[in-house]
Amino acid sequence: DIQMTQSPASLSASLEEIVTITCQASQDIGNWLAWYQQKPGKSPQLLIHSATSLADGIPSRFSGSRSGTQYSLKISRLQVEDTGIYYCLQRYSNPWTFGGGTKLELK
Amino acid sequence: QIQLVQSGPELKKPGESVKISCKASGYTFTDYAMHWVKQAPGKGLKWMGWINTYTGKPTYADDFKGRFVFSLEASASTANLQISNLKNEDTATYFCARSPGYNSDYWGQGVMVTVSS
Repeated sequence: DIQMTQSPASLSASLEEIVTITCQASQDIGNWLAWYQQKPGKSPQLLIHSATSLADGIPSRFSGSRSGTQYSLKISRLQVEDTGIYYCLQRYSNPWTFGGGTKLELK
Repeated sequence: QIQLVQSGPELKKPGESVKISCKASGYTFTDYAMHWVKQAPGKGLKWMGWINTYTGKPTYADDFKGRFVFSLEASASTANLQISNLKNEDTATYFCARSPGYNSDYWGQGVMVTVSS
């Protein structure tokens, strides 16, 4: 199974700050990676698909990048509504696997 | 508009079975795979597998082989998840999701299943 090691597990940042979350894949997954945000009691919401493509309706302050088997989600100017838990998902091969999650809070 | 509407919360005893549904609307049901995702209380997301809504063929992650069954009522645009011989560790929210990870993914609201004696 492909392991997705996500870091950090938690993060506290200030408004307008730049935030970066990373996922390290245990093997090559190409661009078969997505990023999600989940708010308490809600379903996950897609932010980024295909490693770097912004999902429909998602603000441009979110961006995704890839360097080899390391994937990053960047929030360029943190807003209040960006708090929540973020997950990466690899869908390169079965079983699909999620990262462990990053809890993002406002400082 | 596209929606996935799941059935309501369930309270079951260990050893019982539960069947939860996911009704799709706003698109052609058989055009997109349906996936299932588990989230235990306070924990992360875990992919359970998926069902080909055209052929009805299910694929299960290893941890969900045996007691878990994905099925369809295609005429009703509904995907079902049945869990038999429930255990305490099955207590979780279960999400259905249309082709997660694609730009056009949609998720159900989730169903909380509580297993308690």
